[in-house]
Amino acid sequence: QVQLQESGPGQVKPSETLSLTCIVSGGSISSYYWSWIRQPAGKGLEWIGRIYTSGSTNYNPSLKSRVTMSVDTSKSRFSLKLSSVTAADTAVYYCARAGVVVPGAIPYFDYWGQGTLVTVSS
Amino acid sequence: DIQMTQSPSSLSASVGDRVTITCRASQSISLYLNWYQQKPGKAPKLLIYAASSLQSGVPSRFSGSGPGTDFTLTISSLQPEDFATYYCQQSYSTPNTFGQGTKLEIK
Repeated sequence: QVQLQESGPGQVKPSETLSLTCIVSGGSISSYYWSWIRQPAGKGLEWIGRIYTSGSTNYNPSLKSRVTMSVDTSKSRFSLKLSSVTAADTAVYYCARAGVVVPGAIPYFDYWGQGTLVTVSS
Repeated sequence: DIQMTQSPSSLSASVGDRVTITCRASQSISLYLNWYQQKPGKAPKLLIYAASSLQSGVPSRFSGSGPGTDFTLTISSLQPEDFATYYCQQSYSTPNTFGQGTKLEIK
């Protein structure tokens, strides 16, 4: 059974960089897209971006200038950095498996981490 | 970006009711539509992928229809554990986008 676990600071100061890591266990990290999704309290889901195990990325244009994702296949983990954070970045951040890279396959988020709350506050 | 609009935003229903939630995409997305269930304090759970395929382990009372721009999620006979918030999501193009959610409450 694939499991994802987010880790990182629960509080970040305004203008600083939010850094989270997601560790994948119970299955291979290879041949899949891996995504970050966030959810402010009481609100809906926002896709932040995804990374393939080759390192290629797609980011949400609304966050693109501040987002960096990376992957370490040897440690079965991938990471998110979000720079210049403000209070608007306060949310629960989820990592999720975003679909197998097969021609014609329809991607979906089938495995999720439990989520980690990140609060931006001084 | 492809906009996803769900209706209704909230819904009150009783155990045993048949319930339908609608999701409309701002352009055709073929079958690239997925449905998730989220309970308070929990991560979303995949119910339906590719518009109408039931995720393994999900009860058969859940079903989905498409393709194109208009999609539905139907719960044939509501059970107490089905009261939650439901989201649609398109994976046709990036950025992937979600509907705003439909909160299903007990009447």
